[in-house]
Amino acid sequence: DARVTQTPRHKVTEMGQEVTMRCQPILGHNTVFWYRQTMMQGLELLAYFRNRAPLDDSGMPKDRFSAEMPDATLATLKIQPSEPRDSAVYFCASGSLQNEQFFGPGTRLTVL
Amino acid sequence: AQTVTQSQPEMSVQEAETVTLSCTYDTSENNYYLFWYKQPPSRQMILVIRQEAYKQQNATENRFSVNFQKAAKSFSLKISDSQLGDTAMYFCAFMRFLNFGNEKLTFGTGTRLTIIP
Repeated sequence: DARVTQTPRHKVTEMGQEVTMRCQPILGHNTVFWYRQTMMQGLELLAYFRNRAPLDDSGMPKDRFSAEMPDATLATLKIQPSEPRDSAVYFCASGSLQNEQFFGPGTRLTVL
Repeated sequence: AQTVTQSQPEMSVQEAETVTLSCTYDTSENNYYLFWYKQPPSRQMILVIRQEAYKQQNATENRFSVNFQKAAKSFSLKISDSQLGDTAMYFCAFMRFLNFGNEKLTFGTGTRLTIIP
């Protein structure tokens, strides 16, 4: 049963600390997306990759967020330094060639 | 830019009844996909159903079906014989069609559906 995995599932950290979230997409999917969900903004795209190349990171605060895909089995999202307004659920989604996206379980981030 | 509007923040229905969730969207694209995702209290985003804009036939997945009206830019979800496990947030989403693969999803604000025993 292929699925997207994300670690950690929960993260509580203090303001100013670095946070790294990891995602393992479904094998064979060539597109990986990072979305953020908050009560105020809903679900919004942060960045995405196709064949490991970054395509769009316009939704990401560039000064503190960075997204990478070091290989086909791993995507990372880093926040440095973290701020309380970054508290949210961060989803990774894996895109199939049939134009469907399958979401991971999310990382719930709380920045104190 | 595309926008997706879900005008019903909350709905509730008795178990076994039928319920319809509304979604409208705005786009200048001619080829695109529309989706409904379900998010239960576990927070997992689950793909419920998808519709290709070039298909006139409405998509169906078991108890879930859509009413796709391309000219009106409307895409409603009908849940028949509703079950307690259908209690969740439901998000309507839009994706542009690209020849070379998946594109980003634009989501509506969601409808919180409660199935009453």
